[in-house]
Amino acid sequence: DTEVTQTPKHLVMGMTNKKSLKCEQHMGHRAMYWYKQKAKKPPELMFVYSYEKLSINESVPSRFSPECPNSSLLNLHLHALQPEDSALYLCASSHRDPLSGQGPQETQYFGPGTRLLVL
Amino acid sequence: GDSVTQMEGPVTLSEEAFLTINCTYTATGYPSLFWYVQYPGEGLQLLLKATKADDKGSNKGFEATYRKETTSFHLEKGSVQVSDSAVYFCALRGSQGNLIFGKGTKLSVKP
Repeated sequence: DTEVTQTPKHLVMGMTNKKSLKCEQHMGHRAMYWYKQKAKKPPELMFVYSYEKLSINESVPSRFSPECPNSSLLNLHLHALQPEDSALYLCASSHRDPLSGQGPQETQYFGPGTRLLVL
Repeated sequence: GDSVTQMEGPVTLSEEAFLTINCTYTATGYPSLFWYVQYPGEGLQLLLKATKADDKGSNKGFEATYRKETTSFHLEKGSVQVSDSAVYFCALRGSQGNLIFGKGTKLSVKP
């Protein structure tokens, strides 16, 4: 089973709202990722959690706040977003810690994404 | 820095035609290489991968061979179907374990 689930599928929020995106995997993966994908563009890495600790933050604005409450769950808390933050937010996971070198367990498996619209 | 270049789309083919999507990379060393596919309105699915030079990844009739001499990982399929219509992303494993993607190639297959 290589399933990563994300909720909600769609989200519309105003610039003053606070909302959260949720990602879950039950594959025993120890690394989890948030990517942002604008229309007709490739995904761009936002955050990486390894063993429930934030290991990479790609200079993402503080209005995006990640949280990893346990090894199966990854949240992305949203506050005071701007219309240009509208995008598809993708979660991914991999078995292996991304910094521990190449190997067959490095493959990242993606969820279906949350399509976010900020009004 | 590491980067991936893939052919610009869109690519439009008739059903049963031969598909090639070119992908070349720039990287230090020999990173793992991947092809991901994104169907309309969905997330990314791993299509195939190769972790070292001369490896061939294959899945669902798609193939790609890791060529270190030409720093390439071209995607091929002998006979495409309408259901293969999607956006295809070539990617490499960056030095921090992150994925570095190409810009994506949109494939449309007509019946």
